[in-house]
Amino acid sequence: EVQLAQSGAEVKKPGESLKISCKASGFDFTNYWIGWVRQMPGKGLEWMGIMYPRDSDTRYSPSFQGQVTISADKSINTAYLQWRSLKASDTAMYYCARRPSLVAAAGNYFDYWGQGTLVTVSS
Amino acid sequence: QSVLTQPPSASGTPGQRVTISCSGTNSNIGSKTVNWYQQLPGTAPKVLIYNNNQRPSGVPDRFSGSKSGTSASLAISGLQSEDEADYYCATWDDSLIGQEVFGGGTKLTVL
Repeated sequence: EVQLAQSGAEVKKPGESLKISCKASGFDFTNYWIGWVRQMPGKGLEWMGIMYPRDSDTRYSPSFQGQVTISADKSINTAYLQWRSLKASDTAMYYCARRPSLVAAAGNYFDYWGQGTLVTVSS
Repeated sequence: QSVLTQPPSASGTPGQRVTISCSGTNSNIGSKTVNWYQQLPGTAPKVLIYNNNQRPSGVPDRFSGSKSGTSASLAISGLQSEDEADYYCATWDDSLIGQEVFGGGTKLTVL
């Protein structure tokens, strides 16, 4: 069974660093893209970026480039989303999701999603 | 402000057919395939339609997608109470350095 299990909710202060995780199981982690999507409270979905763990090819949305770092550890089938210095505006639910392809239309969509990690940044 | 425009809300009564539109430009919908996601309250999104009009296994055939020019639509026939959710269109946009974009979302209310 395909699963993406995300780490638990976090409460942080502005300026702190954070790394949240997305552990994959039930499929070959290195053969799929893993993306991250932000959803601010009461708002819509925002595409943050995506990585191909096999070769670490990473694409960022211009809105998030330089603000977050997407990485992965193939040895433990886990993807990460990281901040060096959190802001109150980073308060949101963050989802990881699997994508079979970025090219072939038949697989160019997020087919499995994690349950989400709620990040709250408040002084 | 998303580059894909969806109506913020839609509604229908059980059994009705409703459609949700998604308007874009030549750099996104006009030249790329469109996916649709459903987000039930308090849950993660789920794909409903991919490649404009394809349904993943397990998605009822009450859901259908179409695309024409720079617009796409999601149609839901035989509306059910459990269809009450937020719906998002998504596609790639070449003008944004190959970034995928989501529409602003449409909240569907079943009256």
